[in-house]
Amino acid sequence: DAGVIQSPRHEVTEMGQEVTLRCKPISGHDYLFWYRQTMMRGLELLIYFNNNVPIDDSGMPEDRFSAKMPNASFSTLKIQPSEPRDSAVYFCASSFLNPRATEAFFGQGTRLTVV
Amino acid sequence: KQEVTQIPAALSVPEGENLVLNCSFTDSAIYNLQWFRQDPGKGLTSLLLIQSSQREQTSGRLNASLDKSSGRSTLYIAASQPGDSATYLCAVNGANSKLTFGKGITLSVRP
Repeated sequence: DAGVIQSPRHEVTEMGQEVTLRCKPISGHDYLFWYRQTMMRGLELLIYFNNNVPIDDSGMPEDRFSAKMPNASFSTLKIQPSEPRDSAVYFCASSFLNPRATEAFFGQGTRLTVV
Repeated sequence: KQEVTQIPAALSVPEGENLVLNCSFTDSAIYNLQWFRQDPGKGLTSLLLIQSSQREQTSGRLNASLDKSSGRSTLYIAASQPGDSATYLCAVNGANSKLTFGKGITLSVRP
C-alpha cells in the first residue's frame, strides 16, 4: 500500500477563499483522523471518523471548518472562508480496528498558507 | 484534560552517543503510547507503540519504556548517527481513541 495520501502538498490561497484538503487512507483502515500542526500549538486533533461516520469533531476550531468522509477511501477537510490564522500543516492519519491497540499512520501533510 | 510534555525542546549530541528522550503525561488512564519521528517538511513516521500493559518495546537501536503509573516514557537511542537528526514526538492514546501529542524534541546529531 502507498500509505496515507494527501493532496495537495502545498496550498497558497487568499483570505476569504474556500480551501479543500483531500485524504486517501490506507486501504482497509476504518479510522481516519485530521490533525493540524502549528509551531505554537503543536499537533491538534480536529476530527476523526470511524467507518465513515464522524465520531468526535470537538477539535474543529470554528464553523468555517467542515469535514466529510463519503466513502472508506476518501475524506475532505474544507475551510470556508479561509483566514491567515488557518495557516498550518494539516495531516491526515488512519488506523485499523481499534486505535487503542494499533498504531496510526500519517500522510505527508498539506502545508496551507493563507495570505 | 490530558497534557503531554517533552523537555528539552531541542538537543544536540555528538555522533555515537547514547541518548534518552523524555516524555511525561498527566493522565495515566491511557491505552497506549506511540513515539513518532518527523523530518523537516515531512509527515510523521511511527517508531514504536507501547500498549498500556507493556513496559517496553524495542526496534533496532531504539528502545521505548513506559511507566504508566508515574506518567512517563523514555525513548532510548543507542549509538546515535547524523541520520537520527529529526524531531521526535510522543503521543498518548486515551479516552475516545484520541492521540494527544507532545510538542516534540528536535534532535541534532553532530558528525
